[in-house]
Amino acid sequence: AQSVSQHNHHVILSEAASLELGCNYSYGGTVNLFWYVQYPGQHLQLLLKYFSGDPLVKGIKGFEAEFIKSKFSFNLRKPSVQWSDTAEYFCAVLPGRRALTFGSGTRLQVQP
Amino acid sequence: KAGVTQTPRYLIKTRGQQVTLSCSPISGHRSVSWYQQTPGQGLQFLFEYFSETQRNKGNFPGRFSGRQFSNSRSEMNVSTLELGDSALYLCASSLGDREYEQYFGPGTRLTVT
Repeated sequence: AQSVSQHNHHVILSEAASLELGCNYSYGGTVNLFWYVQYPGQHLQLLLKYFSGDPLVKGIKGFEAEFIKSKFSFNLRKPSVQWSDTAEYFCAVLPGRRALTFGSGTRLQVQP
Repeated sequence: KAGVTQTPRYLIKTRGQQVTLSCSPISGHRSVSWYQQTPGQGLQFLFEYFSETQRNKGNFPGRFSGRQFSNSRSEMNVSTLELGDSALYLCASSLGDREYEQYFGPGTRLTVT
């Protein structure tokens, strides 16, 4: 079945540590890719998106993601996390004209 | 621009009742999508409306229905509520073009008792 997989369900890091969250999808063909973040008590916000062009995309708050087509991956990275990055992160894939499909989410806890 | 708004924010209903949730998209956005978010199933797509027509539909029973009005506002209806329908229902709007991003509202928290 076509799906979006986020390998890490719960990640705990100390401030200033580097972050990488994995995302793999199983759709063939052209896809649009997104990372969304949900801070505690807040609604989903778009972190970054990939439509075409440079596979390394930069988003808000110092986040970036790299699209590797051959690996069907779109991993999220941040060189140095802050306590305020504590949130749940969702990878999402939009295949063609079909519906946006989300991964199961990764809960990130940053310890001061 | 005002963001996506959803009303009501919280609802408590009894099993067997029906409920209607409302979503007002960002001005100029023509597509509205609905999602159900639960701890166990995560974010699941319900349906998408574009220019008053349902464009995509997820794998939910027919008790879940929706519609979109000419001003792009959308409503979602759930009939014969079940305990398992307790969830956060999210609405997202977008321009609706090929390469689009969705902007989410704060959600409606539905509790079925």
